[in-house]
Amino acid sequence: DVKVTQSSRYLVKRTGEKVFLECVQDMDHENMFWYRQDPGLGLRLIYFSYDVKMKEKGDIPEGYSVSREKKERFSLILESASTNQTSMYLCASSFTGVPSYEQYFGPGTRLTVT
Amino acid sequence: RKEVEQDPGPFNVPEGATVAFNCTYSNSASQSFFWYRQDCRKEPKLLMSVYSSGNEDGRFTAQLNRASQYISLLIRDSKLSDSATYLCVVNRRNFNKFYFGSGTKLNVKP
Repeated sequence: DVKVTQSSRYLVKRTGEKVFLECVQDMDHENMFWYRQDPGLGLRLIYFSYDVKMKEKGDIPEGYSVSREKKERFSLILESASTNQTSMYLCASSFTGVPSYEQYFGPGTRLTVT
Repeated sequence: RKEVEQDPGPFNVPEGATVAFNCTYSNSASQSFFWYRQDCRKEPKLLMSVYSSGNEDGRFTAQLNRASQYISLLIRDSKLSDSATYLCVVNRRNFNKFYFGSGTKLNVKP
């Protein structure tokens, strides 16, 4: 069974703090993704990575950065947290393929910025 | 225009009913299509991939209409446990990006 784990289920941070969200997958997937999910807006892609040290901006990268130093680990960094970054953050991974393989999601981190 | 559009619902149906959801996508280069299921406060999980010829998995049938750029999901003999939000997902050719609809909520009532 594919397992995607995220470092925290719930997190509360103050405005201006630097926040690290960690994601680890155990299936040797090439691709990893960070999304945020907000009511009425669905899942929006922040960043994705298709290989170690490779990253691509998604649709809403502003205010975020990422790091992928090892294949199994993909980190999302909020450089200076703001209240509008309060959201559910979901990490996912998948194999590379044509057509594409499905994504497997972690349980999510509910981040509140006060 | 959104890449993927879905009716948010909710669809409120009695147990045993048949219910269908549609989803439209805007980019004709879309290549892969999926339905995911998301329970309240849980992560999305793959329900089924959608193939050009249509496919069936038990009570669930998915169809793809490339000419009209929509995919559908049919659930027969609804169970209480089918209550969830159903997400339509598409992926473009040569991209590793997935586009999610905002989901259709289904409530199956006794």
